[in-house]
This record gives sequence, structure tokens and C-alpha cells, in this order.
Amino acid sequence: AQKVTQAQTEISVVEKEDVTLDCVYETRDTTYYLFWYKQPPSGELVFLIRRNSFDEQNEISGRYSWNFQKSTSSFNFTITASQVVDSAVYFCALRRSNYQLIWGAGTKLIIKP
Amino acid sequence: NAGVTQTPKFRVLKTGQSMTLLCAQDMNHEYMYWYRQDPGMGLRLIHYSVGEGTTAKGEVPDGYNVSRLKKQNFLLGLESAAPSQTSVYFCASSYLGRKQFFGPGTRLTVL
Repeated sequence: AQKVTQAQTEISVVEKEDVTLDCVYETRDTTYYLFWYKQPPSGELVFLIRRNSFDEQNEISGRYSWNFQKSTSSFNFTITASQVVDSAVYFCALRRSNYQLIWGAGTKLIIKP
Repeated sequence: NAGVTQTPKFRVLKTGQSMTLLCAQDMNHEYMYWYRQDPGMGLRLIHYSVGEGTTAKGEVPDGYNVSRLKKQNFLLGLESAAPSQTSVYFCASSYLGRKQFFGPGTRLTVL
């Protein structure tokens, strides 16, 4: 089965705290891609990162970092020194070999000032 | 360069009415998708297209039809709307299977 699980429905932290959003996936494909998207309160969907199954290097982009571990089928997302503007729903998605995206249910992140 | 646009932004229908949602992209992308997003859930794929004149069913295709007569446009039709189709509909496009660019969404309410 192809599935993406984001077990954290909602996370609330105080500004400047670090926060990690978990994503666990299931797939039988040997080649696949994983994505993170952000959906702020305004409703649009913003692409954050794409990672292919052959590249397990962690990635850092400013305050954002991603930890991809094939051994545990996880692709976690960390925000360092969170800011109020980071408040949004974050989605993890798995791209199947036929290019369809399977989405997790999302994690609502609330950053309190 | 407008990216992906959706028309209309909001719509209220009565049960049994029909309507068409229009998605347009100006990035010359081959792939286009229609999703629905229900409260507290991720996006679910309704139909998608890998090129002009081709369409395929996604995860939740029942009650919807699509057409891709022109490369830049992807239409989603509801022939007989039902309250269960109340949702936010997102269109997306991509260059092959790479990252998807999303439209702003259409909020549909079926009474």
C-alpha cells in the first residue's frame, strides 16, 4: 500500500522554539519522491522541498531542515527558531511511479508570539 | 506569467445542479491535476492528465468528469452536484512528475 502518515495533527509552540514535523511513508516502489508543502491561513499551497529516494543527504535551507531516513521510512521537517509567520498546515506527500501524489493529512503548526 | 489560475473562486450550487471548474496554466506543463481538500484532510486526487487529449482517474473520481482539449486548460465537471462534493478544489500542473504548482483553489458549497 502507498500511504503517508503525519501522526501529529496539531503542534503549538512559542516563537523561537525549534519544532519537528514527522512524516512516515509506505511504498513498494524502489524509486520515489517525497515532498513537503506549506498551506498558510490564506489557503494557497507552497512547495518547500522535493527529495528522491536515492538521496539520503539531509538538507538545510535557512531555518528549515529535512531529515530523510529510508531505514525508518521517514522524512521529517524541522523549523529552527520558529516565527509566527511559520504558522500553517504542513503536508508531506509521496509521489508514486505513475506521478500521482499521495498526501498525508497534514500537521497544523501554531507559533505563539 | 500568471502560473496556475482557477475560475471561479467561490460557487454555491443546489443539489442536482451542474457546473464546470476551469483551470489554466501558462507554464507549458504537460501534467495537470484536480484535487479536493476536505477539512482536516490532505488533498485527494480526483483526475489527472499527462497530456492534451488524455485523462485518467485518481483516487476519488466518482461524480466528476474532466476534459483536456487544450494543453493549457483542464476542466473539471460536476454533472449532478451532491452535498458530499462540498469542498475546496485545487488544480495543479507540473513539468512531467516534478514539483506541482497549485492554483489558488475554488471553494464549492452544495446545498
